[in-house]
Amino acid sequence: DIQMTQSPSSLSASVGDRVTIACRASQAISRFLNWYQQKPGKAPKVLIYGATTLQSGVPSRFSGSGSGTDFTLTINSLQPEDFATYYCQQSFSTPRTFGQGTKVEIK
Amino acid sequence: QVQLVQSGAEVKKPGASVNVSCKASGFTFTNHYITWVRQAPGQGLEWMGWISPYNGNTYYLQNLQGRITMTTDTSTSTAYMELRSLRSDDTALYFCARYTKVTDLFDIWGQGTMVIVSS
Repeated sequence: DIQMTQSPSSLSASVGDRVTIACRASQAISRFLNWYQQKPGKAPKVLIYGATTLQSGVPSRFSGSGSGTDFTLTINSLQPEDFATYYCQQSFSTPRTFGQGTKVEIK
Repeated sequence: QVQLVQSGAEVKKPGASVNVSCKASGFTFTNHYITWVRQAPGQGLEWMGWISPYNGNTYYLQNLQGRITMTTDTSTSTAYMELRSLRSDDTALYFCARYTKVTDLFDIWGQGTMVIVSS
């Protein structure tokens, strides 16, 4: 199974900050990498698929980059509604696997 | 409106079984796999497997094999996930989600069903 490791596990940031979350795969997955946002008690919401493609309706302050084993989610100018937990997920092979999550908290 | 609506919360005793339903609307049910993902309290997301409503093909996470069965009823566009021999560590919020092959993405999610296993 492909292991997905995110860093950091949590971070504190202020409104307006630029935030970067890393995700590393245990083997090369090309660009088969998706990012989700989850708020407490709610279902995950798709942000980015194929490592870099913004899902329809997602604000352009979110962006993704990377290929192979190393990927990054960037949030430019953090907004109050962005405080949540973010997960990466590989779609290269089954079983599909998620990172352990990165919680973005208010500083 | 494209949506998945799940059944309500369940409380079960250890050793019992639970059956969670997921009713689809707003899209062609047989064109998309339905996947199940669970989240234990305070923990991350665990992919459990998926089913093709078109032909019934399934894939289950290895450590759940023997205890899990996913089925669909195409006449009602409903997917079901049965988990047997429940243990306390099966306590979790269970989500169904639609898998779209073109984007390789779980793009539509149900609201979640809380399953509590407690004696």
